[in-house]
Amino acid sequence: GAVVSQHPSWVICKSGTSVKIECRSLDFQATTMFWYRQFPKKSLMLMATSNEGSKATYEQGVEKDKFLINHASLTLSTLTVTSAHPEDSSFYICSAPKGGLASKETQYFGPGTRLLVL
Amino acid sequence: GQQLNQSPQSMFIQEGEDVSMNCTSSSIFNTWLWYKQEPGEGPVLLIALYKAGELTSNGRLTAQFGITRKDSFLNISASIPSDVGIYFCAGLRSNDYKLSFGAGTTVTVRA
Repeated sequence: GAVVSQHPSWVICKSGTSVKIECRSLDFQATTMFWYRQFPKKSLMLMATSNEGSKATYEQGVEKDKFLINHASLTLSTLTVTSAHPEDSSFYICSAPKGGLASKETQYFGPGTRLLVL
Repeated sequence: GQQLNQSPQSMFIQEGEDVSMNCTSSSIFNTWLWYKQEPGEGPVLLIALYKAGELTSNGRLTAQFGITRKDSFLNISASIPSDVGIYFCAGLRSNDYKLSFGAGTTVTVRA
């Protein structure tokens, strides 16, 4: 079953409004989560690393004031797209690393959030 | 993150045929992951590889981690229509948990 959830699964908003997307790890704690953006028929583009208890770290070219990230707890990270514009329309996906026995880490993705800005 | 070299980019196959795709990297990874993504959904983990040379199966899927830890392949045997989707390889960095992705292999299965 799903181990990482996202909410909402899709959202339509007017240009200029802000949109918040939640990412939750369902049965494990994640001190780190990742936010990606994906364009049609393309691979995932890492936007930022969400860190519980500290500031998020952003990849080069990603505006931190545009994409606000808050890691509120060990199971929740939120991405807020501020003053959204049509060019922000995309598929946003989060992921969370999950540790296992003998350092067998892996990483699980949320189901994604489709954002359409009109 | 750094891109892995994944090939082929796309495959059109007949139902029942086997599928093979591979990824190479200039860097060493301790963990290789294979994901499948269907339209409008997030990637779903298929297989995780942790040891050089490791061969792991998950149903009709088989993946191997290269001896040099710089490459991996994924095989799908006896393909069925629900195998359609985009398959991504990913190398996981142990120090910061960031993933480096391949560009994806789009699989289309003809009945």
